[in-house]
Amino acid sequence: EVQLVESGGGLVQPGESLRLSCAASGFTFSNYWMGWVRQAPGKGLEWVANIKHDGSEKYYVDSVKGRFTISRDNAKSSLYLQVNSLRAEDTAVYFCARDSSTNNWSNYFDYWGQGALVTVSS
Amino acid sequence: DIQMTQSPSSLSASVGDRVTITCRASQGISSWLAWYQQKPEEAPKSLIYKASNLQSGVPSRFSGSGSGTDFTLTISSLQPEDFATYYCQQYADYPRTFGGGTKVEIK
Repeated sequence: EVQLVESGGGLVQPGESLRLSCAASGFTFSNYWMGWVRQAPGKGLEWVANIKHDGSEKYYVDSVKGRFTISRDNAKSSLYLQVNSLRAEDTAVYFCARDSSTNNWSNYFDYWGQGALVTVSS
Repeated sequence: DIQMTQSPSSLSASVGDRVTITCRASQGISSWLAWYQQKPEEAPKSLIYKASNLQSGVPSRFSGSGSGTDFTLTISSLQPEDFATYYCQQYADYPRTFGGGTKVEIK
């Protein structure tokens, strides 16, 4: 059974940083693209970032470029999102998601974690 | 960026009703479209990929169609567990973009 478990969320002040983690199990993590999607309170889904199975390609939504960094440790079956210079508008539940693709182009998300809440407030 | 526009943003329906949700892309995306279902306080769940392919384990009352810029998600006979918010998402290009969501409520 595919499982994705996020951790690392919390309450932070504007300008601070956090590192979100996603522990994966139930599949060969190193074969799949992975991604992060966020959802602000009461709002819709927003794609944040994707990373290729070997970490060689990374893509970001413009609003987080230069502030967020997606990474992975295939030996630990873990996905990360380093979030820096946080703003109030970054307040959201951050979902870790497995991309269905094991090849050179990412596809849709077939499995999702339960999410980690990040609240940015002074 | 490719904009995804869903309609309606909400609808009220009864158990047994046929429900159709539309999603329009601002430019052609071939069939690179997915549909997700999200219930309150839960993670999204994949329903349909490549516009018309049913994700494993999803009931056959769900179906998707379309290509290019216009897509539909149809629930042939609405069940109590189908009351949720539905999102389309294009994966033809970066940035990946979602529609604004359609909330299906009980009439």
